[in-house]
Amino acid sequence: DSGVTQTPKHLITATGQRVTLRCSPRSGDLSVYWYQQSLDQGLQFLIQYYNGEERAKGNILERFSAQQFPDLHSELNLSSLELGDSALYFCASNLDGANEKLFFGSGTQLSVL
Amino acid sequence: AQKITQTQPGMFVQEKEAVTLDCTYDTSDQSYGLFWYKQPSSGEMIFLIYQGSYDEQNATEGRYSLNFQKARKSANLVISASQLGDSAMYFCAMREVYNNNDMRFGAGTRLTVKP
Repeated sequence: DSGVTQTPKHLITATGQRVTLRCSPRSGDLSVYWYQQSLDQGLQFLIQYYNGEERAKGNILERFSAQQFPDLHSELNLSSLELGDSALYFCASNLDGANEKLFFGSGTQLSVL
Repeated sequence: AQKITQTQPGMFVQEKEAVTLDCTYDTSDQSYGLFWYKQPSSGEMIFLIYQGSYDEQNATEGRYSLNFQKARKSANLVISASQLGDSAMYFCAMREVYNNNDMRFGAGTRLTVKP
C-alpha cells in the first residue's frame, strides 16, 4: 500500500459528461501529480501541484482542470468527455525532493462510452 | 524539455537469466534523478530503483541494478536471475532538479519471462 488513495477505482460515463477524480496523497506529502495512461501507452504527465499551487503543467487538455485543496487532497476534473479520454488516471505524491520517488495510487479507470 | 526514450517495446528472457532494459534520456540540466518503475498486469506502479546524476556508483536494489553511463545519457535497468513474476511493463523516468521538477516517463518496455 503506497498510502495514496484514489477514488473512484472505476468510472463509466458517456461522451459529453463531466467527472471528478479524487486523490488523497500520502500523509505529509506536499506534492501531487496527475498522469494519464491510455491503453498500452506510457504515462503522460498532466499536472503537478505543490502545497496548493500549480507547479508544473504537461499535456493537459483545456477541458481538464485540477486543484489541490488546503488539506492537500487533489481533484482532477474532466469535462466534455470524449471517447479518447478513456484511460487509467494515476495520482502520485511525494514530499517534493528531486531525488524522491513518486508514490502512486492504484488509479482510476475511466471508460467513456 | 526532458525526453526519455525506451527503444524496446517488448523483450523476452528465459527464467533465471539476466536481462537489460534500455533507457536513454535527454537533458541540459546537470542535476537530475533517474527512476525505474514496474507495472504488472494488475496496473499498479511499483518503484524499483533510483540513480542520482551525481552518484558515482551504479545503484543496486536486490536483483535490480542500474547501469548508469552519464556521458552517453543512458540508464539501463539490469534484472538478474529473472523470475516469472518479473513479467510486466517497465518504465524509465527522469526528474530534473531545477527545471519544473516534474517526473517524465518513457514509453515503456514489456518484459515477458519464459519458463
